[in-house]
Amino acid sequence: TQLLEQSPQFLSIQEGENLTVYCNSSSVFSSLQWYRQEPGEGPVLLVTVVTGGEVKKLKRLTFQFGDARKDSSLHITAAQPGDTGLYLCAGVMNTGFQKLVFGTGTRLLVSP
Amino acid sequence: ETGVTQTPRHLVMGMTNKKSLKCEQHLGHNAMYWYKQSAKKPLELMFVYSLEERVENNSVPSRFSPECPNSSHLFLHLHTLQPEDSALYLCASSQEWGRLYNEQFFGPGTRLTVL
Repeated sequence: TQLLEQSPQFLSIQEGENLTVYCNSSSVFSSLQWYRQEPGEGPVLLVTVVTGGEVKKLKRLTFQFGDARKDSSLHITAAQPGDTGLYLCAGVMNTGFQKLVFGTGTRLLVSP
Repeated sequence: ETGVTQTPRHLVMGMTNKKSLKCEQHLGHNAMYWYKQSAKKPLELMFVYSLEERVENNSVPSRFSPECPNSSHLFLHLHTLQPEDSALYLCASSQEWGRLYNEQFFGPGTRLTVL
């Protein structure tokens, strides 16, 4: 089983702070997705990164795919309480068909 | 109703009970998935259906039995479960199975507690 490790597991910060979440693996992925899951809901896709070294921005969120396509990071600038949730990375493995492998998750709490 | 819906949202059952979880997608997708989300493990893929045929079964115990009567509906039949089966069960759908950059749309989940 391929494992995607996320760090940190938990993060509690004040509104306005910046943070970075990391997603690491020893495996190469054809692409990588980031999801956010709010309490009582299922995960919702935020972004897909495809090319090694790619950087994508979604308002205050910046996503980067590692050059070797084994790792990724999510940086949030000036966090807001609405950013609270569970952040999941998911790697797409090219195993003949496209299989999605989810990371261990990072639970973020942003306090006012 | 839009997106992916799941019922019930919460379920408490004894180890000898038989119950079913239901999932319905209103997106016109061809693939549907069951995932298990436990507190201390990554999201685990259980079953995948593509065009109503099961295409993946990730070594799931036989006490979990999926059913896909059509491309819009997916069931998970439960019988003689164990307390360690308590978890959030998520249903998802996608346009196609095995497609590159496959975005999966998740339902809100069923919170299952086995006593």
